[in-house]
Amino acid sequence: EVQLVESGGGLVQPGGSLRLSCAASGFTFSSYWMTWVRQAPGKGLEWVANIKQDGSEKYYVDSVKGRFTISRDNAKNSLYLQMNSLRVEDTAVYYCASHGYWGQGTLVTVSS
Amino acid sequence: EIVLTQSPGTLSLSPGERATLSCRASQSVSSSYLAWYQQKPGQAPRLLIYGASSRATGIPDRFSGSGSGTDFTLTISRLEPEDFAVYYCQQYGNSPQTFGQGTKLEIK
Repeated sequence: EVQLVESGGGLVQPGGSLRLSCAASGFTFSSYWMTWVRQAPGKGLEWVANIKQDGSEKYYVDSVKGRFTISRDNAKNSLYLQMNSLRVEDTAVYYCASHGYWGQGTLVTVSS
Repeated sequence: EIVLTQSPGTLSLSPGERATLSCRASQSVSSSYLAWYQQKPGQAPRLLIYGASSRATGIPDRFSGSGSGTDFTLTISRLEPEDFAVYYCQQYGNSPQTFGQGTKLEIK
């Protein structure tokens, strides 16, 4: 059974940093692109970033470029999102996703 | 960036009726890399359709997808009570990938 379990969310002040993690199981992690998608409270889905199987290609939505970094550790079957210079508008549930499977999300709240 | 526009914003129908949801892209979607998701309150999105018309594993055959280029449609042939939710289209052929703003399917 495919499982994606996010962690690392929480409350952070504007300008602060957080690192999200996603633990994957039930599939060959190193064979798939991995993606982060977010959803602000009461809003729609927003694609954030994705990363190729070997980490050689990474893409970001414009609003997070230069602030967020996606990475992966295939030996640990894990995906990460380093979020720096956080803004109030980054408040959202962050989902880890791959080939049609999604985790349950982790809530990031940016507030003073 | 490819902008996806979904219509209508809200669709009010009764169980047993047919639902037709539209997703229009601002430019052609590569190789029909278009997906549809269903999301219920408090839950993660669930993949229904990928490649514009292929049903994901375990999805009932009352759900069907069609279209190519810039115009795509999700059809639910006969609504069941559990189908009332928000539906999103997503293009994954170009970076950045993008989602439509969603169509809320509500019980009339």
